[in-house]
Amino acid sequence: AAGVIQSPRHLIKEKRETATLKCYPIPRHDTVYWYQQGPGQDPQFLISFYEKMQSDKGSIPDRFSAQQFSDYHSELNMSSLELGDSALYFCASSLVLRGSSYNEQFFGPGTRLTVL
Amino acid sequence: DAKTTQPPSMDCAEGRAANLPCNHSTISGNEYVYWYRQIHSQGPQYIIHGLKNNETNEMASLIITEDRKSSTLILPHATLRDTAVYYCIGQYNTDKLIFGTGTRLQVFP
Repeated sequence: AAGVIQSPRHLIKEKRETATLKCYPIPRHDTVYWYQQGPGQDPQFLISFYEKMQSDKGSIPDRFSAQQFSDYHSELNMSSLELGDSALYFCASSLVLRGSSYNEQFFGPGTRLTVL
Repeated sequence: DAKTTQPPSMDCAEGRAANLPCNHSTISGNEYVYWYRQIHSQGPQYIIHGLKNNETNEMASLIITEDRKSSTLILPHATLRDTAVYYCIGQYNTDKLIFGTGTRLQVFP
């Protein structure tokens, strides 16, 4: 079965550079989520999109932006990178049944970003 | 979203049942209890969820107390591949998952 695809899997950047992470959700899933997991920490929600519109926002720095495109893939853009941005970035997708509280999120393998 | 409390770590012998507890005393009546796990640096994986009744699927069983203030995830026959961090999450809305500190389960031979 198709899974969530993330690219690149590994990314090394210098401080103050920019990075773009891509996420391709499971076909027919309408919602995409982004999570950040720092070293030794638990995943933290950043932002989500439903049907290409931002649906929720967590502790996402102003230096980060994201969008979901017409083909439902999503990109997380990170500018003015800092050492503290080094983390695993997970994308998840789901098919949200409106009116239901059931929401199984399917996670991708993550992108490991290292900022030097 | 309800705050959940889990023990930081647990051990389990291979082949035995692993019982992972979770306290969620602030859970509201319409919030579900979700369990996810994360095997080392992989993306979290959904295990099971429930509202009031006990639930079972091919991976695990979920026992929720009648007052819904706590629950237990049961892996009936733990294997080495079940070694992971297990997260109990109380959630109503259909959006973000709020991960707490979870329980690090170590299955040993």
